[in-house]
Amino acid sequence: EAGVVQSPRYKIIEKKQPVAFWCNPISGHNTLYWYRQNLGQGPELLIRYENEEAVDDSQLPKDRFSAERLKGVDSTLKIQPAELGDSAVYLCASSFGGELFFGEGSRLTVL
Amino acid sequence: KNEVEQSPQNLTAQEGEFITINCSYSVGISALHWLQQHPGGGIVSLFMLSSGKKKHGRLIATINIQEKHSSLHITASHPRDSAVYICALRGGADGLTFGKGTHLIIQP
Repeated sequence: EAGVVQSPRYKIIEKKQPVAFWCNPISGHNTLYWYRQNLGQGPELLIRYENEEAVDDSQLPKDRFSAERLKGVDSTLKIQPAELGDSAVYLCASSFGGELFFGEGSRLTVL
Repeated sequence: KNEVEQSPQNLTAQEGEFITINCSYSVGISALHWLQQHPGGGIVSLFMLSSGKKKHGRLIATINIQEKHSSLHITASHPRDSAVYICALRGGADGLTFGKGTHLIIQP
């Protein structure tokens, strides 16, 4: 069974450009998380979905970040415009029955 | 005071040594996760605990709910165990709180 799939793995953009990340969770997993992880730090929650509903987006910087999970399966996370401080690894995870499964992450570098 | 504290922050040991990483927390939880992250790699869930002890291969995880403390042990450590080990708390409403991680290096 495929795990959590994320793309792209790496993205380098100039500041003020837009960027989007895609996540395909494990089939049947209703809960989907987007995390941001800065170098040497633990993951920080950006948004959590239960099916297609965003149940916790309190840490999402809504002025420039947006996310969607149409049909309660795949999800996209968008940043527009990107800032230098957005350079980080963006992790997607899905969960079923409490067990967590992470994708490989999307490493963003903003120049 | 942080809700979850891991110790040590950094640990370097020789191959074959018995390793212990600790996680203390101050809030009520429904479960605790131990996660592993290799450099440049994704995060892998090692254990999910709500009580007692679990074992998988050379890895053992224990939790004491009354003392709000969990430990991750690695027996017969190997260089491939070198990674960051993260303790994560599962609280109410399915929220997760992550520790800052323990950087483990096992030298051959």
